[in-house]
Amino acid sequence: GAVVSQHPSWVICKSGTSVKIECRSLDFQATTMFWYRQFPKQSLMLMATSNEGSKATYEQGVEKDKFLINHASLTLSTLTVTSAHPEDSSFYICSAGGEETQYFGPGTRLLVL
Amino acid sequence: GQSLEQPSEVTAVEGAIVQINCTYQTSGFYGLSWYQQHDGGAPTFLSYNALDGLEETGRFSSFLSRSDSYGYLLLQELQMKDSASYFCAVRSYTDKLIFGTGTRLQVFP
Repeated sequence: GAVVSQHPSWVICKSGTSVKIECRSLDFQATTMFWYRQFPKQSLMLMATSNEGSKATYEQGVEKDKFLINHASLTLSTLTVTSAHPEDSSFYICSAGGEETQYFGPGTRLLVL
Repeated sequence: GQSLEQPSEVTAVEGAIVQINCTYQTSGFYGLSWYQQHDGGAPTFLSYNALDGLEETGRFSSFLSRSDSYGYLLLQELQMKDSASYFCAVRSYTDKLIFGTGTRLQVFP
């Protein structure tokens, strides 16, 4: 099946710093990618839809100025958590795919101290 | 609002059959997917139903009734490795997925 990678797989940072997470589709082009956040023992919450060449579409309640998304090419989307705080600590997962199947990256575990 | 409800936990023994239900209420609906997620891992695709009826893929089957806004995942011949969380997800507008609350399946020997 299609492969989606994420980097880094985990990151620990100090409160107030910014963290960038990359999501790449390795063997297919993706005009659309999705970013999710998952807290322990909870479901995946869609944060935003990343659109190649245009602005991302954010879900209700997600701060666009805090979670910056850039989709500069057909294989790369980045999520930047700006001025991270401990409550932003979570598992961030991206996905890409087609109508019937979404392929998920391995996720990035963020811990903000 | 949008909601997808699943039982929080299901337990079974090896070799048994379990059914995980999903009822949904969403503003748009193109299809219902099922994903498996092991602890610490990413979700992996199991099945997709766009039309009413049963889809079978090996030991896993998925059912959809659009008129009832209901679907289920059926797991047969359970194995220990099937212990994981299972999520239903509605494919909504622009291909985005809205995930259910998740069901944690524990398989015992």
